[in-house]
Amino acid sequence: DAGVTQSPTHLIKTRGQQVTLRCSPKSGHDTVSWYQQALGQGPQFIFQYYEEEERQRGNFPDRFSGHQFPNYSSELNVNALLLGDSALYLCASSLWEGGSSPLHFGNGTRLTVT
Amino acid sequence: QKEVEQDPGPLSVPEGAIVSLNCTYSNSAFQYFMWYRQYSRKGPELLMYTYSSGNKEDGRFTAQVDKSSKYISLFIRDSQPSDSATYLCAMSGVNNFNKFYFGSGTKLNVKP
Repeated sequence: DAGVTQSPTHLIKTRGQQVTLRCSPKSGHDTVSWYQQALGQGPQFIFQYYEEEERQRGNFPDRFSGHQFPNYSSELNVNALLLGDSALYLCASSLWEGGSSPLHFGNGTRLTVT
Repeated sequence: QKEVEQDPGPLSVPEGAIVSLNCTYSNSAFQYFMWYRQYSRKGPELLMYTYSSGNKEDGRFTAQVDKSSKYISLFIRDSQPSDSATYLCAMSGVNNFNKFYFGSGTKLNVKP
């Protein structure tokens, strides 16, 4: 049973550049959420996708955008990178049940902005 | 005030000890509660998932929810060195569509 997979595992970018992170959800899951985890902090919700639409969004600027594909995989795009965007970006998948179902996380993409 | 508060630790215990990890929260609408374990340079791993109040047991792990006090706990019995990790609590409301709020994590060290 394939779990959540993310790529790449590590990424180094320069301020002002753009980055795309990718995620494949756990088999059978239809909902993808993205979280940002700064060093020593808990994950912070960025946004969530279901049926190729953004369903909820956390307190993140428009520089953060995403996409979900028909096969449920997802991308997170960040434009105009800032030093403060350096973090572990986690993708989590779940089932859309109209309520809450537990999140299953990938191992994340560690983004360093220099 | 943060939605979810969690003592960052570190918490250091001898092997075999019972460990108690706790979170408090401010939003009375929270109904779903999760505990995750996160090893260094890895993603969070789901340990326990509970709805509303009460206890849930799974092997060496017991999760407790006290909604009247807005307080949740995770107990680990017979702790092992392999339990050394950061433990995260997370919670969401009934109609939050899987938007979970996380604590900042408690770092646990189990000494052999």
